[in-house]
Amino acid sequence: GAGVSQSPSNKVTEKGKDVELRCDPISGHTALYWYRQRLGQGLEFLIYFQGNSAPDKSGLPSDRFSAERTGESVSTLTIQRTQQEDSAVYLCASSLGLAMTSTDTQYFGPGTRLTVL
Amino acid sequence: GNSVTQMEGPVTLSEEAFLTINCTYTATGYPSLFWYVQYPGEGLQLLLKATKADDKGSNKGFEATYRKETTSFHLEKGSVQVSDSAVYFCALKSGAAGNKLTFGGGTRVLVKP
Repeated sequence: GAGVSQSPSNKVTEKGKDVELRCDPISGHTALYWYRQRLGQGLEFLIYFQGNSAPDKSGLPSDRFSAERTGESVSTLTIQRTQQEDSAVYLCASSLGLAMTSTDTQYFGPGTRLTVL
Repeated sequence: GNSVTQMEGPVTLSEEAFLTINCTYTATGYPSLFWYVQYPGEGLQLLLKATKADDKGSNKGFEATYRKETTSFHLEKGSVQVSDSAVYFCALKSGAAGNKLTFGGGTRVLVKP
């Protein structure tokens, strides 16, 4: 079946502009995650949605970052007033949302490469 | 808090050589451990995992054993192929921190024919 999809695949923007990144999870997956991968570094957790629970926003680096999810479907990550240090690949993942988290595999999308000039 | 440390790359080796990528972790509670792989131009994929001490995860000829006493989860493959060239990420998930993954910095592996 279809995997996690993200759009756009590449985004170039000017410093100070707002950007929106989109993630379409695998159908039936109740959990959705956003991560950031800066050049040459590992992935950093940003935010996690699980069903109707309040999202875990503990990884958002500043109040310029926000994310929404419509039900158990599409999610958008918004970065306001972008800065050069926001340049990174933004990865989305989804999972079934199993109670036994050790068996709840996350499936990743191809990412959106954001470049802030 | 949780953290994962893995050896820096790049690691360059010849086909059929033995590969080891070291990974150690710090975590609260009893984490689950993972290796993810990112092939050139592709998305991140789960390679293998282990959910409790002394478990061995294996896939595609790769193995890693969950060592609680040394807080390690080293990745090994006995005979690498050119197609194993990729970036490998060690990660953990700890129940105390919910379902989010904590990743190491990644290790780039280049296998030459």
